[in-house]
Amino acid sequence: QVQLQQSGAELAKPGSSVKISCKASGYTFTSYYISWIKQTTGQGLEYIGYINTGSGGTNYNEKFKGKATLTVDKSSSTAFMQLSSLTPDDSAVYYCARRLPGYNFWFAYWGQGTLVTVSS
Amino acid sequence: DTVLTQSPALAVSPGERVSISCRASEGVNSYMHWYQQKPGQQPKLLIYKASNLASGVPARFSGSGSGTDFTLTIDPVEADDTATYFCQQSWNDPRTFGGGTKLELK
Repeated sequence: QVQLQQSGAELAKPGSSVKISCKASGYTFTSYYISWIKQTTGQGLEYIGYINTGSGGTNYNEKFKGKATLTVDKSSSTAFMQLSSLTPDDSAVYYCARRLPGYNFWFAYWGQGTLVTVSS
Repeated sequence: DTVLTQSPALAVSPGERVSISCRASEGVNSYMHWYQQKPGQQPKLLIYKASNLASGVPARFSGSGSGTDFTLTIDPVEADDTATYFCQQSWNDPRTFGGGTKLELK
C-alpha cells in the first residue's frame, strides 16, 4: 500500500534552516509528483509546491519561492523540503502528499505531518 | 489567488443530513475536492472533481457543484463524522484550500 513516512518534529531557531524528509513506499516513486502543504491554525492549509520525482523539476507557489526548496533522492525514494531563513511564521505542520493516478492535483495520500517550531 | 470561503462551523444531530458549502472567488470548473481532517491526523480525501467519491469513502458522502459554488453533503451524519472539512481547488494556480468547516454533533 502507498505510504508516505515523514521525518520527526523539528525545533529550530530564527534565521536557521530545516530539512524535512518524506519517504515513499508501495508504488513506483518516480511515477508521481510529491506536493508539500503547510498547515497552521491561523492560515489553514497552504499549497507550497511540487517536485517531479522523475526529472527533479519543481513548481512553487509564489508565496513560498525563496522559502522552500524541494529536492528528491530517487535511490531512496525520498523527497525533501528545506525551509530557510526561518521565522516564527514558519511554525506549522508540513505535509507531503501524492495524487491519484493521472495528472491531477488532488491528494489521496498524505504523510503524517512534520511539526516545525521556530523559537529562540 | 483563488479564495475559497467556507462557514466556520456547523452543529447537527446524528441521523440528520448536513450540507457544507464552499464558494470560490473565481471559477474553478469542476476542480473542487473535499477532505476530512480529524484532530492530530492528516487530511483524508473524500470527494474529487466535485462529485467523485474517493476509494473507501462511505456513500453517505456526496459532492455537487461547478463554477464557483460547491457542496459536500453527508446523509445521514454519524458520530464518527465529527471533524473539520476542507475544500481545495486545483483549477487555478496556486492550488488553494478553504478555511475549513468544523462539524460538531449535538
